[in-house]
Amino acid sequence: SYEVTQPPSVSVSPGQTATITCSGDKLGDRYVCWYQQRPGQSPVLVIHHDRRRPSGIPERFSGSNSGNTATLTISGTQAMDEADYYCQAWDSTTVVFGGGTKLTVL
Amino acid sequence: QLQLQESGPGLVKASETLSLTCTVSDDSLRTSSYYWGWIRQPPGKGLEWIGNVHSSGRNYYNPSLKSRVTISVDTSKNQFFLRLTSVAAADTSVYYCARHGDYDDFHLDHWGQGTLVTVSS
Repeated sequence: SYEVTQPPSVSVSPGQTATITCSGDKLGDRYVCWYQQRPGQSPVLVIHHDRRRPSGIPERFSGSNSGNTATLTISGTQAMDEADYYCQAWDSTTVVFGGGTKLTVL
Repeated sequence: QLQLQESGPGLVKASETLSLTCTVSDDSLRTSSYYWGWIRQPPGKGLEWIGNVHSSGRNYYNPSLKSRVTISVDTSKNQFFLRLTSVAAADTSVYYCARHGDYDDFHLDHWGQGTLVTVSS
């Protein structure tokens, strides 16, 4: 079965750029989406179709996908961005989530 | 704004069947052509996709759960359902229902608040 892998944790200073990766075999051939989950809350879609932002998601969130790696980039990271982030891919019959990355803003 | 709400028992005995309902706030199940999914999250762990159902009744399931899972829909009631048989402690999770927004990447654009189901021995 298809798998995607994320780093368990990423740290960033306020105002800096956070980069969270998602890796999988030929992942660039598939669409990837990203979710933000704050403690005690349901996940929120922040990026779909590799790079599209849903309505209401700040412009500081952006995405890319090429080769074996998809990337979620948060520019000018704010304290409120501290959360768990999950990538997701579709394997023609199965939805696959990454294990999640805890973003710490310190 | 579309809303989804999970409901069902919060406690299930080991070896029994877990049954949950997701109620959709409008007529989307009947009038549109989306897939509707179930996702779970064990306490302190990551997300696991369980499966989904189309308004036509077509399904996709996680291969690791397929033998124990049934997801069905009742468009007349704006509801879809999860049934998980032979549960064990490892099935203790927050269970979410959600809407898949597109057929290209099956992103999940609307989520319920989640409901905690504990499997007791």
